[in-house]
Amino acid sequence: GNSVTQMEGPVTLSEEAFLTINCTYTATGYPSLFWYVQYPGEGLQLLLKATKADDKGSNKGFEATYRKETTSFHLEKGSVQVSDSAVYFCALSDRSTDKLIFGTGTRLQVFP
Amino acid sequence: EAQVTQNPRYLITVTGKKLTVTCSQNMNHEYMSWYRQDPGLGLRQIYYSMNVEVTDKGDVPEGYKVSRKEKRNFPLILESPSPNQTSLYFCASSPQRTFGTQYFGPGTRLTVL
Repeated sequence: GNSVTQMEGPVTLSEEAFLTINCTYTATGYPSLFWYVQYPGEGLQLLLKATKADDKGSNKGFEATYRKETTSFHLEKGSVQVSDSAVYFCALSDRSTDKLIFGTGTRLQVFP
Repeated sequence: EAQVTQNPRYLITVTGKKLTVTCSQNMNHEYMSWYRQDPGLGLRQIYYSMNVEVTDKGDVPEGYKVSRKEKRNFPLILESPSPNQTSLYFCASSPQRTFGTQYFGPGTRLTVL
């Protein structure tokens, strides 16, 4: 079945460091891919998305490119801030079952 | 303000005592869904609804019920809660057929003793 695999956390970085959070997926067909972010004590918010191969989603300095050949959607940011500390979820939409399938989440901690 | 609201935000209860967690959205969305979030497991879908009076099971529906009598409301019912239902619960909504782009409520932390 369809699934999403994310790197284990926590990821701990100093402010202004480069961030990569790996995400790979298994899916039949052509899913859309998403990154959601969960700040402490809050619900999830959509961070960015890509709907087809080679699309790049971007928002708030974060980017991710839909790579069909490697079935990946890695999240990157060139210079993280303390305010980026949160849990990041990779997800795919399964059109055949009307579901959004999430990875297990990766906690990012950014220190000054 | 466009939002999804959940009540209560925190609840401690005992095994077997029926409870309802309410969810309401003011965006006129057709699609609504309930998830539970557990450490190491991410978010798992409990139930979802494509529109009024249309509901279907997600991945972990056992022990839960839902109803969708009005478009804006999608309550989650635990008829006889058990300790393994202790979790963080999220309601979400989205416009029809764009269910990947979901709007989440703030969460309800439930503890069943």
